[in-house]
Amino acid sequence: DTGVSQDPRHKITKRGQNVTFRCDPISEHNRLYWYRQTLGQGPEFLTYFQNEAQLEKSRLLSNRFSAERPKGSFSTLEIQRTEQGDSAMYLCASSLAGSQYNSPLHFGNGTRLTVT
Amino acid sequence: GENVEQHPSTLSVQEGDSAVIKCTYSDSASNYFPWYKQELGKRPQLIIDIRSNVGEKKDQRIAVTLNKTAKHFSLHITETQPEDSAVYFCAASKPGGYQKVTFGTGTKLQVIP
Repeated sequence: DTGVSQDPRHKITKRGQNVTFRCDPISEHNRLYWYRQTLGQGPEFLTYFQNEAQLEKSRLLSNRFSAERPKGSFSTLEIQRTEQGDSAMYLCASSLAGSQYNSPLHFGNGTRLTVT
Repeated sequence: GENVEQHPSTLSVQEGDSAVIKCTYSDSASNYFPWYKQELGKRPQLIIDIRSNVGEKKDQRIAVTLNKTAKHFSLHITETQPEDSAVYFCAASKPGGYQKVTFGTGTKLQVIP
């Protein structure tokens, strides 16, 4: 089990720049999630995919955020025109879809974004 | 949507004592309730979970109880050790297409040696 991997681990960018993060889920998992976590808070849902289909997107997600999972494997999260309020840890997680009960999320180590 | 509330936000216990963290959820359709432990600077990791078809589950020093009628569930840690110090998150999710997992705000547990 190689686990969920995220790249990069840290990203420092200037306000107004675009950034892109990558997530590689556990290979047999068909669901992939993006969460955002700020200090002292629980993970906040952003969006999730089943295979290549984006099934839900948080209303908190502005139009500056976009996520893709083109071949149902890895995913990218792009933030355009970054703002200081985007500074957070961006967590990716994967799981195996269940018809009756859902399986646990397996998280990556996250990408810490700092917008200066 | 689902709303998960978690209490307390911080908890300090003496080593060897028990710790209890409580969560409530709003959506009666939720049927899966995982608990995650997050150490400083690390990823959240699953420590125990419970499905709605059981009322209690134990794994060594950790147990979770679920009351579906009242829509609350609790994490119990017995014989606490300093390495139990971390932030604990409860979560709830619904079956089928509603896979979004909603997390509580976390409890920072400090075990004092």
